[in-house]
Amino acid sequence: EADIYQTPRYLVIGTGKKITLECSQTMGHDKMYWYQQDPGMELHLIHYSYGVNSTEKGDLSSESTVSRIRTEHFPLTLESARPSHTSQYLCASSYRGKGENIQYFGAGTRLSVL
Amino acid sequence: GESVGLHLPTLSVQEGDNSIINCAYSNSASDYFIWYKQESGKGPQFIIDIRSNMDKRQGQRVTVLLNKTVKHLSLQIAATQPGDSAVYFCAETAGTASKLTFGTGTRLQVTL
Repeated sequence: EADIYQTPRYLVIGTGKKITLECSQTMGHDKMYWYQQDPGMELHLIHYSYGVNSTEKGDLSSESTVSRIRTEHFPLTLESARPSHTSQYLCASSYRGKGENIQYFGAGTRLSVL
Repeated sequence: GESVGLHLPTLSVQEGDNSIINCAYSNSASDYFIWYKQESGKGPQFIIDIRSNMDKRQGQRVTVLLNKTVKHLSLQIAATQPGDSAVYFCAETAGTASKLTFGTGTRLQVTL
C-alpha cells in the first residue's frame, strides 16, 4: 500500500468557486504528478514536479495550478471551477532509482462542478 | 470534464482461466514498461514492470512479455480470480524521463 494521500475523496461544488485538492506523500519521493482521468478513460498528465520549487505543465492543457513548497506536499488549485473541470484527479509520486521508475498513486479526488 | 467517449475494450474470462491483456506502444525509444491495475473508485496500483533488456518477467500469478520488434507488451494472469476484475493499464517511459505515457486500458471482467 502506497503512502500517498488525497483529500477530499469527493467534492461537489458550484461554478466559480476556488478549490484546492490536497496531495501528500510520506515516502520521501522527489517527483510528484497530477493526472486527470474521466470515467473509464486513460490518464492524462496535467502537472508534475521534480522537486521543491519545481513545477511543470503536463501533456494535457489544464486551467489548474500547482505548487511544491515542501517535498511531501503537492496541492492543485482551480481558481474558478467550471462544469468542464468535472473529472477525477489522481496524484502520484515516484523515486527513480535502481532501474525502476514506478509511480505510486493516491485514491483520487472525484470532482463535480455544478 | 466528463465525456462520453469510447468504451474501454473489455476482456471477459471465467474464474480459473488464464487472462491475457495486450498493449501496443509506438515509441521505439521506450525502455521501461509498467502494468497497473485500477479497481473501481481507486487509484492505479502497480503490478509488475519490465526493462527493455528483458523479454519476460514473472511475478506472483502474473507474467509480462515484451516484444520490442513489434512494440507489443502483454500481461498474463494465471488462474484468474474475481478479485482480478479491474481496468488494466500499460505505461511506458524512455531514457531518463520520469514521465509515464499510459495506454488506453482494458477492462477485465471475471465471470463465475
